[in-house]
Amino acid sequence: EDQVTQSPEALRLQEGESSSLNCSYTVSGLRGLFWYRQDPGKGPEFLFTLYSAGEEKEKERLKATLTKKESFLHITAPKPEDSATYLCAVQARGGSEKLVFGKGTKLTVNP
Amino acid sequence: NAGVMQNPRHLVRRRGQEARLRCSPMKGHSHVYWYRQLPEEGLKFMVYLQKENIIDESGMPKERFSAEFPKEGPSILRIQQVVRGDSAAYFCASSPREQGASLNIQYFGAGTRLSVL
Repeated sequence: EDQVTQSPEALRLQEGESSSLNCSYTVSGLRGLFWYRQDPGKGPEFLFTLYSAGEEKEKERLKATLTKKESFLHITAPKPEDSATYLCAVQARGGSEKLVFGKGTKLTVNP
Repeated sequence: NAGVMQNPRHLVRRRGQEARLRCSPMKGHSHVYWYRQLPEEGLKFMVYLQKENIIDESGMPKERFSAEFPKEGPSILRIQQVVRGDSAAYFCASSPREQGASLNIQYFGAGTRLSVL
C-alpha cells in the first residue's frame, strides 16, 4: 500500500531561520510527488511537482528536492506569511490518478 | 479564470438527513476528484470522475455515499442518512488531463465543511 509520512508534525521558526521539512514515501512505482500549501479554512494550493530522483524545483523562498525514498522542502529565510500546513502527496504509476497524502507539517514562523 | 468552486462552504445536517456537496471544476477541466479530510487526519482520496463516468471509486465507503459528474452541471457528492462520523471537510479537485502530459496537476477548491448534529 502506498504510504506517505511527513516530519516533523509541527515546526516553529523565527523569521529568517532556515529549515527543511521531510516527506518519506513508499509507492509501487512513483509517477510524481506533489507539494501543496494549506492555510486554515482553505483548500490545498499547488506548489511543486517532482518526477524523478535528483530533480529540484524552486519558488521564492521554497526549494523542493527528491530522492528515491524521500523529498525535502527547504525554506530559506522564512517570513511570517510562510506560516501554513505543508502537504506532501504521491501518485503511483498505472491505474488511477489518485493522490496519497501525508498528514502534513504545520509551520509557524514568528516575527 | 475562476478556480474550482465548491458549495456550500459550510453545511449542517442532522443525523439521518442527506447531504449534497457540489463542485464546479476549473474551466477546461474534465476530470474531478473528491477527497475527505477528517480532524487530525490527512486528505483521503474518495473518488475520481470524468464526465458521465466513474473512473476510480476505491476510496468511497460502500454504503450511503455516491458521486456523479453529469454531462452538464457540477459534480455532486451525495451522502445519505448522515452520521456524526461523516463530519469532515470535503475537498474537490480538478485537472485538465492534457493529452501527452506525463502528469496532470490537481487544483483544489476551498472545500465544504460538513457538520452532523
